[in-house]
Amino acid sequence: QQPVQSPQAVILREGEDAVINCSSSKALYSVHWYRQKHGEAPVFLMILLKGGEQKGHDKISASFNEKKQQSSLYLTASQLSYSGTYFCGTEDGATNKLIFGTGTLLAVQP
Amino acid sequence: SAVISQKPSRDICQRGTSLTIQCQVDSQVTMMFWYRQQPGQSLTLIATANQGSEATYESGFVIDKFPISRPNLTFSTLTVSNMSPEDSSIYLCSVEAVHESTEAFFGQGTRLTVV
Repeated sequence: QQPVQSPQAVILREGEDAVINCSSSKALYSVHWYRQKHGEAPVFLMILLKGGEQKGHDKISASFNEKKQQSSLYLTASQLSYSGTYFCGTEDGATNKLIFGTGTLLAVQP
Repeated sequence: SAVISQKPSRDICQRGTSLTIQCQVDSQVTMMFWYRQQPGQSLTLIATANQGSEATYESGFVIDKFPISRPNLTFSTLTVSNMSPEDSSIYLCSVEAVHESTEAFFGQGTRLTVV
């Protein structure tokens, strides 16, 4: 089952914050976050492992709630370069398959 | 890390024909994955390709339509057979690093248009 992301799309002004949510109907082994710009391959942002702590780098961080089978990506003080489509990916621990969420289109305007 | 060379980068094909997409990795990897991304959509896993065994296909994808080869630990091909306009998509190969739960690496994708 494909993880569901919300919102589907969000428009921000530079400097504003955003939260993207990822919800799965299956127990999660780990959660990946990727950003994809138009015409390019997805680019890795971070991984959150079961039992791990909230992670982040620069102004992008994420949390992982195993019990709720949810993860959230936090973007603070957004920059123009943050524009793109964000995907969460849930990993099957037995097969290492990565199933991508429905996606969230983020547009940052000047 | 892993560097993946995928080709062709794009192609325009006639309906009813087949296209083979190649994926070459600069290091040995156990599993390779093939995804399809339709315009404006998420990535959908087609199959997992293991060296020395038949590929494992996801629901909705069959070997006759998407035959996969995995002759060694650095190379895989995906063939899109008997194409129709509905097959127009971006196809991406992907690998994970040797150790589990690390990032997935992607080829640059093959943009396929079927006319």
